[in-house]
Order: sequence, then structure tokens, then C-alpha cells
Amino acid sequence: AQKITQTQPGMFVQEKEAVTLDCTYDTSDPSYGLFWYKQPSSGEMIFLIYQGSYDQQNATEGRYSLNFQKARKSANLVISASQLGDSAMYFCAMRDHTGANSKLTFGKGITLSVRP
Amino acid sequence: DGGITQSPKYLFRKEGQNVTLSCEQNLNHDAMYWYRQDPGQGLRLIYYSQIVNDFQKGDIAEGYSVSREKKESFPLTVTSAQKNPTAFYLCASSIGGTPFNEQFFGPGTRLTVL
Repeated sequence: AQKITQTQPGMFVQEKEAVTLDCTYDTSDPSYGLFWYKQPSSGEMIFLIYQGSYDQQNATEGRYSLNFQKARKSANLVISASQLGDSAMYFCAMRDHTGANSKLTFGKGITLSVRP
Repeated sequence: DGGITQSPKYLFRKEGQNVTLSCEQNLNHDAMYWYRQDPGQGLRLIYYSQIVNDFQKGDIAEGYSVSREKKESFPLTVTSAQKNPTAFYLCASSIGGTPFNEQFFGPGTRLTVL
């Protein structure tokens, strides 16, 4: 069964510092995709970064990078040079071929607060 | 601009009433999805549709119904059978249903049952 685990209840980081948000996943499917989304207080879900299970290199998108450790089944999000606008909920999600039509399964999220 | 619109942003319903949440996309995406989010929780899949005139139940479909008569529209009806409908509802779409396509989300509808 698909499963995404985000255990950090809340994270605090000083502005301009880097922060790592943890995510572990569980799947028996060798073909899967991992996604991170940001949800500000307004509620919309903003896509940040994607990592495919067959990708050889860690994904990067601007200040976001994904520390993908396949053997450990972890896909941690690294945000460099934190900004006040990064304060939000962050969700890790996975899609594989388990079940019909590869649904997106979300973790419970991590709250990130950036201090000035 | 291409995107996903949801209306209304806030919706209040009396117990026993059915309500319909709108979701429209102009991204030309084939797949569309409805999620429910409760406070402090992740998203749970209600229904999804890979093509027009076809849709499938997600993990928590009881008390909900959908239709997909047009590619760009995927309305969700919350029926009186849904015992605890107060939640934040998010609609999403993607190019296809493979693991390698990200989903793009609308701004959400916050439903409150009075």
C-alpha cells in the first residue's frame, strides 16, 4: 500500500538559513513519482518540485532541492536561503501504479515558520 | 491565463441540503480530481476522472457525487448523506494519470455546515 510519512510536527528556521523537511515513503512499485507542495494560509496548493523514481540526479528548482535517497525511501525537501514568504504548510506526496489510475497520496504535512 | 477556478470560495449549507462545488480548468488536462482536507491533515481523494464521461471513486467517496460531461468541468455535489461535510475542498487537474505528471490545484472551496 502507498504511504507517505511526515513526522516533523513543526519546523522553525531563521531567515536566510537553509532548512530540510523530511519525507519517507513506502511502495512496492519500482515506478513512482514524488512531489512536494506548499500550502500557504490562503489554502491553495502550490507545486514545488518533482522527483521520478528513475531519475539519476536529485531534482532542483530554484531554492528548492530534493534529497532523494532511494534505498532509504526518503525524499527530503531542502529550502535554501529561507524567506519570510516560505512560512506555510509543506506536503510530500507520491504517485505510483498501485491501484487504479495512480492516485496522488499525501502525507499529513509539516508547518514551517521562518523567523526574521 | 491558464489555470483552475473553483467557486464559491466560501459556502455555507444547512443540514440536509445538497450543494454543488464548481471546478473549471482551461489547461486542456484530461485528468481531474477532488480532494478533501480537514484541519491539520493532508488531502484525501474523493473522486477522480481520467476522461470525459468517466470517473472513479477515491478513498472517501461516500456522500459525494460527480459528473464529467465536459473536459474542462468536474463539479462535485456534497449530498445530505455526507455525515461530516465541513471541510476544505480542493480540485486538481493533470495532463494524464501517470506517476510522472504533477497535479495543479485550484484555490479551494471552504464548506461549512450550519
